[in-house]
Amino acid sequence: GAVVSQHPSRVICKSGTSVKIECRSLDFQATTMFWYRQFPKQSLMLMATSNEGSKATYEQGVEKDKFLINHASLTLSTLTVTSAHPEDSSFYICSASVRLAGGGEQYFGPGTRLTVT
Amino acid sequence: DAKTTQPPSMDCAEGRAANLPCNHSTISGNEYVYWYRQIHSQGPQYIIHGLKNNETNEMASLIITEDRKSSTLILPHATLRDTAVYYCIVRVASYGGATNKLIFGTGTLLAVQP
Repeated sequence: GAVVSQHPSRVICKSGTSVKIECRSLDFQATTMFWYRQFPKQSLMLMATSNEGSKATYEQGVEKDKFLINHASLTLSTLTVTSAHPEDSSFYICSASVRLAGGGEQYFGPGTRLTVT
Repeated sequence: DAKTTQPPSMDCAEGRAANLPCNHSTISGNEYVYWYRQIHSQGPQYIIHGLKNNETNEMASLIITEDRKSSTLILPHATLRDTAVYYCIVRVASYGGATNKLIFGTGTLLAVQP
């Protein structure tokens, strides 16, 4: 149980275009999803918290107009990188929150590798 | 900022126990210790978490010192597939919402050697 999928797994786009990444919880409902970014040889950096039916909460330094997050249902959150540039090339990972004994828990998707040319 | 300190890397022989340490000297009374791992180019995987008692599941054991200022993740019989970056994270437990967010540090790269 607690499977999270992401689509696409890899995407290459041209500079200036927009890219949408989907994050789905397959066998559970997630009221909260999180989006992370990871550059090569670095740790995961939290970008934003996505709550179903409300606006996302962005971490300091993350441009909300560039990284659009929509959480329209309890099983789907999307991240749209608008006007992508080569410096946006990164590994984007989502997670979904599951309620467990002892506290909420996060299960992660497999990640999406974005390359902007 | 991450509230934990971990060695950057460790080696372990295949079949032996891997003991990964973590210091969290500023942990608060309501904060849990969580462990995740990330195999190269994959999303992180939840391993185990605990508050003050030792915990064990099918993947690993978690030993938390009595003062809760440090902990050790134990993989009892490491295999080559356990090669990954292991993250120790302290966090207040919650049932969803913004307080559920995880702040990742740099972790420990565990290399299991054949």
